[in-house]
Amino acid sequence: DTVLTQSPALAVSPGERVTISCRASESVSTGMHWYQQKPGQQPKLLIYGASNLESGVPARFSGSGSGTDFTLTIDPVEADDTATYFCQQSWNDPNTFGAGTKLELK
Amino acid sequence: QVKLQQSGAELVKPGASVKLSCKTSGYTFSTSYMSWFKQIPGQSIEWIGMIYAGDGGTGYNQKFKGKATLTVDTSSSTAYMDLSSLTTEDSAVYFCASPNYGSYDYWGQGVMVTVSS
Repeated sequence: DTVLTQSPALAVSPGERVTISCRASESVSTGMHWYQQKPGQQPKLLIYGASNLESGVPARFSGSGSGTDFTLTIDPVEADDTATYFCQQSWNDPNTFGAGTKLELK
Repeated sequence: QVKLQQSGAELVKPGASVKLSCKTSGYTFSTSYMSWFKQIPGQSIEWIGMIYAGDGGTGYNQKFKGKATLTVDTSSSTAYMDLSSLTTEDSAVYFCASPNYGSYDYWGQGVMVTVSS
């Protein structure tokens, strides 16, 4: 299975720019997607196809990358962005998710 | 609007089975796919499998073959997942979600399954 590696946690101040990385163990082309999950809630799709912003998601969120290295950027970060962010690949079977990056606000 | 409403929390005994439901509304279920996921609280998300409501065709993550069985009832626009021979390792939150070109844009609220004697 394709392993997705994310840094476990980040702490930033409101108004700053944050980048969350996801590295795949093999190429996933642009079949990478990003989700935000808050405690007790279902995941929410933010970015699909590596760089496409899901409808209704603020333009503060953006995604980039292809192949094995991907990035989710939030600029500027707001207090409500406190959550865990997961990457998910759909290029290789089975779909797999990263372990998640917990974003905390200082 | 699209809505996926999952059944309530379950407490089941080891060795038993449980059937989870995901009732949909707001879109044409009968020509759509539905996927299911497992998430142990505080951990990552695992894809269990997918079903096409049009013909009941399924695809499973090898890890969950024999554990999960996906079905649909198009008359009620509801997807189901049977989990069998439950152990404590099956205790988790289970989500249904609608796939959209590889991503998942609509999710159910999740259902907690606790396996305990």
